[in-house]
Formats: sequence, C-alpha cells, structure tokens
Amino acid sequence: DTGVSQDPRHKITKRGQNVTFRCDPISEHNRLYWYRQTLGQGPEFLTYFQNEAQLEKSRLLSDRFSAERPKGSFSTLEIQRTEQGDSAMYLCASSGAGLTDTQYFGPGTRLTVL
Amino acid sequence: AQSVTQLGSHVSVSEGALVLLRCNYSSSVPPYLFWYVQYPNQGLQLLLKYTSAATLVKGINGFEAEFKKSETSFHLTKPSAHMSDAAEYFCAVSDYTGTASKLTFGTGTRLQVML
Repeated sequence: DTGVSQDPRHKITKRGQNVTFRCDPISEHNRLYWYRQTLGQGPEFLTYFQNEAQLEKSRLLSDRFSAERPKGSFSTLEIQRTEQGDSAMYLCASSGAGLTDTQYFGPGTRLTVL
Repeated sequence: AQSVTQLGSHVSVSEGALVLLRCNYSSSVPPYLFWYVQYPNQGLQLLLKYTSAATLVKGINGFEAEFKKSETSFHLTKPSAHMSDAAEYFCAVSDYTGTASKLTFGTGTRLQVML
C-alpha cells in the first residue's frame, strides 16, 4: 500500500489553457473523491466516484470541469479554459465503501493560473 | 446540511503546554466527525474519528477528542505540545445522507508551538 498519489504536484498555466490532473487511489479502495482547497480555507467537495461511476457532483463543479475514472482505478480531473479563480490545491482521496471508512488523502496538485 | 465551525483560526501554545482546538458541528443526523492535520504543501492526514462508539476518541500523536452531543462539540486536545505539532488542523463532518460519505470541513486552525 503506497497511499494515494497525485500527479503533477504543481502546475502553472496561463488563463484559457486546459489542464489535467491524475489521481491514483489506494488499490483496494472503490471510492474516490476530489476536493478543492483555496488559501486559508478547508477542502471543499467537488465530486465522487464509486468504482467507475460518478455518483455526485458539487455545484462548485462548473461545466468547465470534468472528471473520469474509466476503469475504476485511477481518476483524472480536467479543467478547460482555466480562469484565475481556479487557482487552488486539488486534493484526491480514496476510501472503502463503508459509511465510516476513512478517506485517505493524496498530497494534492497545486494549480496556479496566471 | 452538515457544517462545522472552528473557533480560532490561529492558536499559539508553548512547547509542553496543553493544546485545545475547538470544533462545533451542526448536523440533522447523528454525526460522524473527524480531525485531520495538514503540514505545509502536503495532503491531509487523519488524526482521529468519531463514529458513534465511545465519546472519547484517541488518535495518533497523543491527540484525543471528546464528542459532546449536548454542546454539539468535538474539541481536539493534547496534554503536552511538541514542536512537531505545528500544522493546520481541520475538523470535518461526514454527510452520509446522500450517495457518498463526503466530508464538510471547517476553515481550519493553524497551531503554532513556541519554545
């Protein structure tokens, strides 16, 4: 068990460009979550997968954001036409299927939009 | 909807002193509550969680928290602070009423430990 990994750790892009982040969960976990954390705030829920199915999306997730988990393993989060307001830390977490199962977080991808 | 409030965005203690970080929650259902710690430029690490068993929950690194329903509180304590405890601490409540057990976090408390 190597924990949740995320790639890249840092991304600097210009406004209007598209970016894609990857998350590799703990291998036996079938739930995968994306959160966004802005400076001085706690993480905010974006979306959630159970296996390959995306079951819930926050209203924070505008139509410029899309997430996939094609084979129920790794997940990608794409942001199209980035805006300066998208600058944040994007955190991925994974867990088992129980209601009280711990969510284990990755190190995050810090996005800076210039 | 569930929510948490963390009182005090910054807390400073001397090394060896008691650490007390406050968290109050609001929940329409029996809550599941969590404390996470975040070191600079890192993800979140679970310290402890309350899932309706014992009200006094012991976690890693000497931390513990007590669930008090009457006060809607879940404060985090540690008897003796260490320099390595300096970090950001987040209280969270689980919203398990939908399809996912997504977490709602407080705004965090930055703990500073002074020599």
